[in-house]
Amino acid sequence: SQQGEEDPQALSIQEGENATMNCSYKTSINNLQWYRQNSGRGLVHLILIRSNEREKHSGRLRVTLDTSKKSSSLLITASRAADTASYFCATDAYSGAGSYQLTFGKGTKLSVIP
Amino acid sequence: GAGVSQTPSNKVTEKGKYVELRCDPISGHTALYWYRQSLGQGPEFLIYFQGTGAADDSGLPNDRFFAVRPEGSVSTLKIQRTERGDSAVYLCASSLGTSGLNEQFFGPGTRLTVL
Repeated sequence: SQQGEEDPQALSIQEGENATMNCSYKTSINNLQWYRQNSGRGLVHLILIRSNEREKHSGRLRVTLDTSKKSSSLLITASRAADTASYFCATDAYSGAGSYQLTFGKGTKLSVIP
Repeated sequence: GAGVSQTPSNKVTEKGKYVELRCDPISGHTALYWYRQSLGQGPEFLIYFQGTGAADDSGLPNDRFFAVRPEGSVSTLKIQRTERGDSAVYLCASSLGTSGLNEQFFGPGTRLTVL
């Protein structure tokens, strides 16, 4: 079952603009991660934010986490055509069986128009 | 160094046939995960290995699905009596450990099509 839900499902912006994607989840988490998936390629890890952190930066990426609202946002600043991809949030909660399996949302499909 | 590799990249089979999908994790990664991604969806967890043992197989949809990792490295996902609903991209991921803070590195996936 899918834990998270990304919003919006699709987003189209002009190159240079900022893109904001949101993720909501249902149960308590250990941490939350964002991944990017280009068409026909595997998932690439972007950033991990721990449950006790509120904000994290990595290059043009900014992630926030609000555990009281069970939500996170991913901001990509100064977007580029190469940022065109699907973006997924994934929550990472200990399963009790020894694994920290990731539970993904359905993703946001971002299109950056040159 | 080499990332996670998966073979074949594409597999087309007929309903009722048996298939094997292979995953080569990053060298030294003890944790290995299999996920399944249907069209328009995010990946869904299938099974997790720590070393040679399947520590968590709670995501396997039914007993037609089975996975092994006999030497704690390469893993094979096996699907018996395939059904059209099994069509999806099967993703493998590996990580150094299972502290929950270890990044999972994903392979490119195997696209399975059951006709």
